[in-house]
Amino acid sequence: KAGVTQTPRYLIKTRGQQVTLSCSPISGHRSVSWYQQTPGQGLQFLFEYFSETQRNKGNFPGRFSGRQFSNSRSEMNVSTLELGDSALYLCASSPGTGDIQYFGAGTRLSVL
Amino acid sequence: QKEVEQNSGPLSVPEGAIASLNCTYSDRGSQSFFWYRQYSGKSPELIMFIYSNGDKEDGRFTAQLNKASQYVSLLIRDSQPSDSATYLCAVRSNYQLIWGAGTKLIIKP
Repeated sequence: KAGVTQTPRYLIKTRGQQVTLSCSPISGHRSVSWYQQTPGQGLQFLFEYFSETQRNKGNFPGRFSGRQFSNSRSEMNVSTLELGDSALYLCASSPGTGDIQYFGAGTRLSVL
Repeated sequence: QKEVEQNSGPLSVPEGAIASLNCTYSDRGSQSFFWYRQYSGKSPELIMFIYSNGDKEDGRFTAQLNKASQYVSLLIRDSQPSDSATYLCAVRSNYQLIWGAGTKLIIKP
């Protein structure tokens, strides 16, 4: 069974640009969660989608948005990038909300 | 605000000893508890989960849950240098996983 796939793995952007990250969950999983992790920090929860609906949301500004498609694939968008957005962005899939989460390898975003 | 607390460490343990990692949570209604391991630069991976009070063993790992005291712990027996990582505790609360900040564990040869 294929795991969670995140693309791209690495990304370099400049301030003010926008970026879209993609996550394909494990087959059959309907929940996708997104996290931001900066060096030495824990997981900062961005949002969770289940069956195309946002179920939970963390304390991030509106520049961070996401969506989920009917095949459970999810995208996360960050507009007007800031230097502080440089981080590892992790996607996790689970069968349902609050279930065991399985993580992708992450997308490492650098904002210059 | 539901919270999960972990000592950030680092926790330094000699090779071959028992490493004990602790996690406390605020929501008494929490039902499921998870331990993840994260190596530097990598994504978290599930080690164990526990639902009932008491101990659950899997190889060198033992998870202990005490709902009355609202804590969950992870014991690692015969610690190996490869166990050096950050250990994250996650608690299911109201259909959402709440994460602790993690404890950095260093196993010294």
